[in-house]
Amino acid sequence: GAGVSQSPSNKVTEKGKDVELRCDPISGHTALYWYRQSLGQGLEFLIYFQGNSAPDKSGLPSDRFSAERTGGSVSTLTIQRTQQEDSAVYLCASSLAGIRDRESFGPGTRLLVL
Amino acid sequence: GIQVEQSPPDLILQEGANSTLRCNFSDSVNNLQWFHQNPWGQLINLFYIPSGTKQNGRLSATTVATERYSLLYISSSQTTDSGVYFCAVERIGGYNKLIFGAGTRLAVHP
Repeated sequence: GAGVSQSPSNKVTEKGKDVELRCDPISGHTALYWYRQSLGQGLEFLIYFQGNSAPDKSGLPSDRFSAERTGGSVSTLTIQRTQQEDSAVYLCASSLAGIRDRESFGPGTRLLVL
Repeated sequence: GIQVEQSPPDLILQEGANSTLRCNFSDSVNNLQWFHQNPWGQLINLFYIPSGTKQNGRLSATTVATERYSLLYISSSQTTDSGVYFCAVERIGGYNKLIFGAGTRLAVHP
């Protein structure tokens, strides 16, 4: 079946502009995660959604970052007033609640802030 | 916060060789996972292994939670095993927040 999809696959923006990144999880997956991977680095947790519960936003690096998940499905990560240090690959993953070994990752969005 | 250290940072193998990757972590954990990121960036979940041993084909993993380390074994390596292997842990009370190591970059040559 269809996996996790993300759009756009690549995004180039100018410093100071806002960007929106989209994640479509696997149908039926109630848990959704956003991660950031800077060049040559491991992944950094950003935010976690589980069903209708309040999201865990503890990984968001600043108040310029926000995310929402509409209808328990699609999620949008928004970065306001982008900075060059925001350049990274943003990865989304989804899983059935509490079943981490079935976690599936999307292909990522490569963001470059000039 | 919890520290996750992986070794070696880089590894070059000839096809058919075996290897062991190590992950040390500095505090007790609820969860430990191994991931493979292929050269195109796709991340694949290999093992969910907070303790014990699991095997999947040529790959196996062992976590000794009391000694705070995990090992990933790759036997009869193939060129398709190339990429970066990440270890990630969820600390107790971590509420599904995975903390990743810096990874081991593996290159398997024919």
